[in-house]
Amino acid sequence: AQSVTQLGSHVSVSEGALVLLRCNYSSSVPPYLFWYVQYPNQGLQLLLKYTTGATLVKGINGFEAEFKKSETSFHLTKPSAHMSDAAEYFCAVTIYGGSQGNLIFGKGTKLSVKP
Amino acid sequence: EAQVTQNPRYLITVTGKKLTVTCSQNMNHEYMSWYRQDPGLGLRQIYYSMNVEVTDKGDVPEGYKVSRKEKRNFPLILESPSPNQTSLYFCASSSTFSSYEQYFGPGTRLTVT
Repeated sequence: AQSVTQLGSHVSVSEGALVLLRCNYSSSVPPYLFWYVQYPNQGLQLLLKYTTGATLVKGINGFEAEFKKSETSFHLTKPSAHMSDAAEYFCAVTIYGGSQGNLIFGKGTKLSVKP
Repeated sequence: EAQVTQNPRYLITVTGKKLTVTCSQNMNHEYMSWYRQDPGLGLRQIYYSMNVEVTDKGDVPEGYKVSRKEKRNFPLILESPSPNQTSLYFCASSSTFSSYEQYFGPGTRLTVT
Protein backbone atom coordinates (compact mmCIF):
# COMPACT_ATOMS: atom_id res chain seq x y z
CA ALA A 1 0.00 0.00 0.00
CA GLN A 2 1.10 3.53 -0.65
CA SER A 3 1.44 6.27 1.92
CA VAL A 4 2.62 9.86 2.08
CA THR A 5 4.27 11.78 4.90
CA GLN A 6 4.54 15.55 4.81
CA LEU A 7 7.04 16.87 7.31
CA GLY A 8 5.76 19.96 9.04
CA SER A 9 2.10 20.89 9.23
CA HIS A 10 3.04 24.58 9.19
CA VAL A 11 5.93 26.30 7.44
CA SER A 12 6.61 30.02 7.64
CA VAL A 13 9.01 31.89 5.35
CA SER A 14 9.76 35.50 4.60
CA GLU A 15 8.87 37.00 1.26
CA GLY A 16 11.74 36.37 -1.14
CA ALA A 17 13.09 33.40 0.81
CA LEU A 18 13.39 29.83 -0.41
CA VAL A 19 10.31 27.65 -0.02
CA LEU A 20 10.94 23.99 0.80
CA LEU A 21 8.02 21.68 1.56
CA ARG A 22 8.95 18.10 2.31
CA CYS A 23 7.20 14.97 1.13
CA ASN A 24 8.25 11.35 1.59
CA TYR A 25 6.32 8.47 0.14
CA SER A 26 6.11 4.75 0.57
CA SER A 27 5.35 2.52 -2.39
CA SER A 28 6.39 -0.99 -3.36
CA VAL A 29 6.23 -0.14 -7.05
CA PRO A 30 7.23 2.99 -8.98
CA PRO A 31 4.88 5.76 -7.91
CA TYR A 32 3.16 8.61 -9.59
CA LEU A 33 3.57 11.72 -7.44
CA PHE A 34 1.66 14.98 -7.28
CA TRP A 35 1.64 18.31 -5.50
CA TYR A 36 -1.65 20.15 -5.14
CA VAL A 37 -2.27 23.62 -3.73
CA GLN A 38 -5.39 24.78 -1.92
CA TYR A 39 -6.03 28.49 -1.51
CA PRO A 40 -8.47 29.58 1.20
CA ASN A 41 -12.07 28.60 0.45
CA GLN A 42 -11.13 26.95 -2.82
CA GLY A 43 -10.70 23.47 -4.22
CA LEU A 44 -7.41 21.79 -4.98
CA GLN A 45 -5.35 22.81 -7.98
CA LEU A 46 -2.58 20.70 -9.49
CA LEU A 47 0.86 22.31 -9.14
CA LEU A 48 2.95 19.60 -10.78
CA LYS A 49 3.24 15.85 -11.23
CA TYR A 50 5.82 13.16 -11.78
CA THR A 51 4.91 10.00 -13.69
CA THR A 52 7.96 8.85 -15.64
CA GLY A 53 10.99 10.42 -17.29
CA ALA A 54 12.84 13.48 -16.01
CA THR A 55 13.02 13.47 -12.24
CA LEU A 56 13.01 17.25 -11.92
CA VAL A 57 9.56 18.51 -12.77
CA LYS A 58 8.48 22.10 -13.11
CA GLY A 59 5.02 23.30 -12.28
CA ILE A 60 2.98 26.43 -12.22
CA ASN A 61 3.83 29.62 -10.32
CA GLY A 62 7.57 28.88 -10.28
CA PHE A 63 7.37 25.70 -8.22
CA GLU A 64 9.39 22.59 -8.95
CA ALA A 65 9.94 19.20 -7.34
CA GLU A 66 12.51 16.47 -7.70
CA PHE A 67 11.75 12.77 -7.52
CA LYS A 68 14.51 11.01 -5.60
CA LYS A 69 13.93 7.29 -5.62
CA SER A 70 16.84 6.51 -3.26
CA GLU A 71 15.42 8.87 -0.67
CA THR A 72 11.73 8.13 -1.45
CA SER A 73 11.19 11.86 -1.54
CA PHE A 74 9.40 14.42 -3.69
CA HIS A 75 10.12 17.76 -2.04
CA LEU A 76 8.55 20.94 -3.40
CA THR A 77 10.67 24.05 -3.81
CA LYS A 78 10.43 27.62 -5.01
CA PRO A 79 13.45 29.92 -5.04
CA SER A 80 11.66 33.06 -3.91
CA ALA A 81 8.39 33.14 -1.99
CA HIS A 82 5.62 35.57 -2.81
CA MET A 83 2.79 36.64 -0.55
CA SER A 84 0.41 34.98 -2.99
CA ASP A 85 2.00 31.58 -2.26
CA ALA A 86 0.35 31.45 1.14
CA ALA A 87 -1.86 28.37 0.96
CA GLU A 88 -2.04 24.74 1.99
CA TYR A 89 -0.04 22.26 -0.03
CA PHE A 90 -0.74 18.57 -0.39
CA CYS A 91 1.54 15.83 -1.66
CA ALA A 92 -0.19 12.78 -3.15
CA VAL A 93 0.85 9.38 -4.48
CA THR A 94 -0.66 6.67 -6.59
CA ILE A 95 0.53 3.89 -8.83
CA TYR A 96 -0.32 2.99 -12.39
CA GLY A 97 -2.96 0.28 -12.48
CA GLY A 98 -3.57 0.47 -8.76
CA SER A 99 -6.62 -1.32 -7.45
CA GLN A 100 -8.43 1.89 -6.67
CA GLY A 101 -6.74 4.39 -8.86
CA ASN A 102 -7.21 6.91 -6.12
CA LEU A 103 -4.76 9.43 -4.83
CA ILE A 104 -3.35 8.94 -1.35
CA PHE A 105 -2.85 12.36 0.17
CA GLY A 106 -0.54 13.60 2.85
CA LYS A 107 -1.99 15.61 5.70
CA GLY A 108 -0.97 18.89 4.17
CA THR A 109 1.46 21.70 4.94
CA LYS A 110 0.17 25.21 5.49
CA LEU A 111 2.59 27.79 4.11
CA SER A 112 2.66 31.28 5.58
CA VAL A 113 4.63 34.07 3.91
CA LYS A 114 5.73 37.01 6.05
CA PRO A 115 6.29 40.44 4.48
CA GLU B 1 -15.01 26.13 -19.41
CA ALA B 2 -13.88 22.71 -18.19
CA GLN B 3 -14.96 22.30 -14.62
CA VAL B 4 -16.31 20.20 -11.80
CA THR B 5 -19.29 21.73 -10.03
CA GLN B 6 -20.76 20.86 -6.67
CA ASN B 7 -23.99 21.90 -5.01
CA PRO B 8 -24.67 23.14 -2.49
CA ARG B 9 -21.45 24.88 -1.47
CA TYR B 10 -22.59 25.21 2.12
CA LEU B 11 -25.11 23.11 4.01
CA ILE B 12 -26.21 23.02 7.62
CA THR B 13 -28.52 20.17 8.56
CA VAL B 14 -29.67 18.14 11.53
CA THR B 15 -28.86 14.59 12.51
CA GLY B 16 -30.82 12.02 10.56
CA LYS B 17 -32.14 14.23 7.78
CA LYS B 18 -31.22 12.70 4.44
CA LEU B 19 -29.26 14.88 2.07
CA THR B 20 -27.63 14.73 -1.33
CA VAL B 21 -24.62 16.66 -2.57
CA THR B 22 -24.48 16.83 -6.33
CA CYS B 23 -21.35 16.69 -8.47
CA SER B 24 -21.17 17.24 -12.19
CA GLN B 25 -18.27 17.44 -14.65
CA ASN B 26 -18.31 18.63 -18.25
CA MET B 27 -15.04 17.03 -19.39
CA ASN B 28 -16.39 13.59 -20.34
CA HIS B 29 -14.20 12.02 -17.66
CA GLU B 30 -14.73 8.35 -16.87
CA TYR B 31 -13.30 8.42 -13.38
CA MET B 32 -14.94 10.34 -10.52
CA SER B 33 -14.49 10.27 -6.77
CA TRP B 34 -15.50 11.87 -3.50
CA TYR B 35 -13.12 12.97 -0.77
CA ARG B 36 -13.61 14.46 2.64
CA GLN B 37 -11.12 16.88 4.15
CA ASP B 38 -10.68 17.21 7.89
CA PRO B 39 -8.10 19.32 9.76
CA GLY B 40 -4.90 17.41 10.33
CA LEU B 41 -6.08 14.40 8.32
CA GLY B 42 -5.70 15.65 4.76
CA LEU B 43 -8.06 14.25 2.14
CA ARG B 44 -9.52 10.79 2.40
CA GLN B 45 -11.39 9.05 -0.36
CA ILE B 46 -15.00 8.08 0.35
CA TYR B 47 -16.13 6.42 -2.88
CA TYR B 48 -14.97 6.31 -6.46
CA SER B 49 -16.40 5.37 -9.82
CA MET B 50 -14.46 4.11 -12.82
CA ASN B 51 -17.40 4.55 -15.18
CA VAL B 52 -21.20 4.51 -15.41
CA GLU B 53 -22.73 1.96 -13.05
CA VAL B 54 -19.28 1.06 -11.65
CA THR B 55 -18.64 2.29 -8.12
CA ASP B 56 -16.50 1.10 -5.25
CA LYS B 57 -15.60 2.01 -1.70
CA GLY B 58 -12.66 4.20 -0.83
CA ASP B 59 -11.00 4.48 2.54
CA VAL B 60 -13.90 5.94 4.57
CA PRO B 61 -17.21 4.82 3.00
CA GLU B 62 -19.26 4.26 6.15
CA GLY B 63 -22.41 6.36 6.25
CA TYR B 64 -22.28 7.36 2.58
CA LYS B 65 -23.83 6.17 -0.67
CA VAL B 66 -23.16 7.09 -4.27
CA SER B 67 -24.62 6.40 -7.68
CA ARG B 68 -23.33 6.82 -11.23
CA LYS B 69 -26.24 6.64 -13.62
CA GLU B 70 -24.78 9.16 -16.04
CA LYS B 71 -21.18 9.78 -16.94
CA ARG B 72 -21.22 13.43 -15.94
CA ASN B 73 -22.93 13.12 -12.53
CA PHE B 74 -21.79 11.48 -9.31
CA PRO B 75 -24.01 12.46 -6.35
CA LEU B 76 -23.02 11.77 -2.75
CA ILE B 77 -25.88 10.67 -0.50
CA LEU B 78 -25.98 10.78 3.29
CA GLU B 79 -29.07 8.81 4.27
CA SER B 80 -28.83 9.56 7.99
CA PRO B 81 -26.19 12.19 8.63
CA SER B 82 -24.41 12.32 11.96
CA PRO B 83 -22.23 15.04 13.52
CA ASN B 84 -19.04 13.10 12.71
CA GLN B 85 -19.82 13.68 9.04
CA THR B 86 -19.34 17.40 9.50
CA SER B 87 -16.56 18.06 7.02
CA LEU B 88 -15.46 19.67 3.78
CA TYR B 89 -16.29 17.46 0.80
CA PHE B 90 -14.65 17.48 -2.61
CA CYS B 91 -15.67 15.81 -5.81
CA ALA B 92 -12.98 15.06 -8.38
CA SER B 93 -12.74 13.63 -11.88
CA SER B 94 -10.03 12.44 -14.24
CA SER B 95 -9.87 11.55 -17.88
CA THR B 96 -8.70 7.95 -17.89
CA PHE B 97 -7.62 5.39 -15.41
CA SER B 98 -4.03 5.92 -16.47
CA SER B 99 -3.85 9.69 -16.18
CA TYR B 100 -4.40 10.10 -12.44
CA GLU B 101 -4.44 13.87 -12.68
CA GLN B 102 -7.63 14.69 -10.87
CA TYR B 103 -9.67 17.86 -11.29
CA PHE B 104 -11.41 19.04 -8.14
CA GLY B 105 -14.66 20.82 -7.53
CA PRO B 106 -14.84 23.88 -5.24
CA GLY B 107 -15.96 21.91 -2.20
CA THR B 108 -19.08 21.57 -0.08
CA ARG B 109 -18.89 22.51 3.57
CA LEU B 110 -21.34 20.36 5.52
CA THR B 111 -22.30 20.91 9.15
CA VAL B 112 -24.47 18.33 10.90
CA THR B 113 -25.89 19.41 14.25
